[in-house]
Amino acid sequence: DIQMTQSPSSLSASVGDRVTITCQASQDIINYLNWYQQKPGKAPKLLIYDASHLETGVPSRFRGSRSGTDFTFTINSLEPEDIATYYCQHYDNLLFTFGPGTKVDIK
Amino acid sequence: EVQLVQSGAEVKKPGKSLKISCKGSGYTFTNYWIGWVRQMPGKGLEWMGIIYPGDSNTRYSPSFQGQVTFSADKSIDTAYLQWSSLKAPDTAMYYCARLVSNSFGFDVWGQGTMVTVSS
Repeated sequence: DIQMTQSPSSLSASVGDRVTITCQASQDIINYLNWYQQKPGKAPKLLIYDASHLETGVPSRFRGSRSGTDFTFTINSLEPEDIATYYCQHYDNLLFTFGPGTKVDIK
Repeated sequence: EVQLVQSGAEVKKPGKSLKISCKGSGYTFTNYWIGWVRQMPGKGLEWMGIIYPGDSNTRYSPSFQGQVTFSADKSIDTAYLQWSSLKAPDTAMYYCARLVSNSFGFDVWGQGTMVTVSS
């Protein structure tokens, strides 16, 4: 099975900072890699699908990209409402895997 | 509006059975797989499996195979997650979510059903 590692597990940043989260696959995978935001007490929300496509209605400060087996999620300018836990999610061979999550808060 | 609405919170004793629901609206329910996701208190998201309401075809995560059962009633656009004998570690929030087949992501989520198992 393909394993997904996500880093960092948490981070603190200032409003306006660029925030980067990485999800790494244990082997080469196709672009079935999605990113979610989960605010406290709420259901997850799909932000990025197919590694780099912005879901309809999601602010453009959110971005996803891929380099080899590394997938990167970026918030270009952190806003107070971006405080949340972010998860990557992968699909392969009838199995879905969520990364362990990255908790983002304001410094 | 496309939405999934889940049944309310449950408190059950160990050994009891339980069935929670997820009702879709605003789209053709039978055309999309529905996934179930567990979130234990203070923990991350765990994929449990998926069901296709059109024909009740199911795929279970190996971690949940034999522990839970998915079902669907397409006449009322509702999917179900059930346990035959609850255990304390089943205490968690359970989400249903609609699967998008081109990206294999979950684009619409229910609000979650909190299940508490305690004697």
